[in-house]
Amino acid sequence: KQEVTQIPAALSVPEGENLVLNCSFTDSAIYNLQWFRQDPGKGLTSLLLIQSSQREQTSGRLNASLDKSSGRSTLYIAASQPGDSATYLCAVRGNNAGNMLTFGGGTRLMVKP
Amino acid sequence: DADVTQTPRNRITKTGKRIMLECSQTKGHDRMYWYRQDPGLGLRLIYYSFDVKDINKGEISDGYSVSRQAQAKFSLSLESAIPNQTALYFCATSTVSGGSYNEQFFGPGTRLTVL
Repeated sequence: KQEVTQIPAALSVPEGENLVLNCSFTDSAIYNLQWFRQDPGKGLTSLLLIQSSQREQTSGRLNASLDKSSGRSTLYIAASQPGDSATYLCAVRGNNAGNMLTFGGGTRLMVKP
Repeated sequence: DADVTQTPRNRITKTGKRIMLECSQTKGHDRMYWYRQDPGLGLRLIYYSFDVKDINKGEISDGYSVSRQAQAKFSLSLESAIPNQTALYFCATSTVSGGSYNEQFFGPGTRLTVL
């Protein structure tokens, strides 16, 4: 059974810092990996999707990398801003029944002004 | 307008009541999903549907049922609600193109409290 772990569970940084969020998964037979942002009590907003054949994807200040063989992905946030404060979730789409998404527990990020 | 909508957004009910949560999407996606989110447990899949005639159980389907009334509508029912079904419920949609699984898009969520 696929397991997805996100470290750290919580992170607090001053505004302007570059930061890295980590995601690891136990089964490397995945189709893709998706990073989401969730604000408190709200829905999930898709940030980046990396297909299994890709190494990275970029959107603005966000860069996500994927190392499928080692079961790892990182989300890099450049020049963090208070508006980046949210919970960040990674999810892998695996080779399971229905090819469903398996979610990590999330990293709760606080960017202080 | 939001691409994936859920109604109601908040609901408080009592143990034993029947509850229906509704989801509609304008993205034209064929695949729809229901998840629940609990503190410390993350998101877990309840049911999923790949088209109107295809319904499948997810990880935690006991106590729930679904109906895919049309490609754009997917409802989740709690036949007899119990307190441990108190959670945040999300609907999501996705599609496949060119042989690749595309992004999954989520609705805003329904906060359900069962007293």
